[in-house]
Amino acid sequence: DAGVIQSPRHEVTEMGQEVTLRCKPISGHNSLFWYRQTMMRGLELLIYFNNNVPIDDSGMPEDRFSAKMPNASFSTLKIQPSEPRDSAVYFCASRAGLDNQPQHFGDGTRLSIL
Amino acid sequence: AQSVTQPDIHITVSEGASLELRCNYSYGATPYLFWYVQSPGQGLQLLLKYFSGDTLVQGIKGFEAEFKRSQSSFNLRKPSVHWSDAAEYFCAVVEGGSYIPTFGRGTSLIVHP
Repeated sequence: DAGVIQSPRHEVTEMGQEVTLRCKPISGHNSLFWYRQTMMRGLELLIYFNNNVPIDDSGMPEDRFSAKMPNASFSTLKIQPSEPRDSAVYFCASRAGLDNQPQHFGDGTRLSIL
Repeated sequence: AQSVTQPDIHITVSEGASLELRCNYSYGATPYLFWYVQSPGQGLQLLLKYFSGDTLVQGIKGFEAEFKRSQSSFNLRKPSVHWSDAAEYFCAVVEGGSYIPTFGRGTSLIVHP
């Protein structure tokens, strides 16, 4: 079975550029999460969608970050404009059902902002 | 608010030795509990989960975990570690009804030959 698919796997861009990260969740999963992982802060939840609707975006750092889920099979996380402190690994995870089910993680996008 | 503590940032063991990784949570009711493993360059993969019933749960790769309500703990164990077990291990807790997992900071496992 196909797992959670993230693209690109690596992204290197200059400060000020727009960055778009993409995620395809597992078919049939109705919850989707975006995380950011750094050495300093560990794994941080950015935003949580349920049935394509953003439920909790309290972890989105600032207005430069935005996330969308136009349909059940696709989500994007956009950073505009990007800054060096946004450099991190960004993970997407999906889940079937609600809180008693495990999350399934993609392999992440390693983002470097120069 | 719920919190999850993994008190050991790094643990070093010799191959073939036993392993226990600690996880404590602060929470009133019995939450849903998970252990995940992350290998370099990869996402988190589920090792095992606890919802209810038998407090000793078996997972993949020979791992097991025991839920102890009195200690608010969910420690991960393996009787004999293999070099391929070297990775980052995360404990996660979900409060019933909150839908959002809280993750510990992770424990990095180093395996010496």
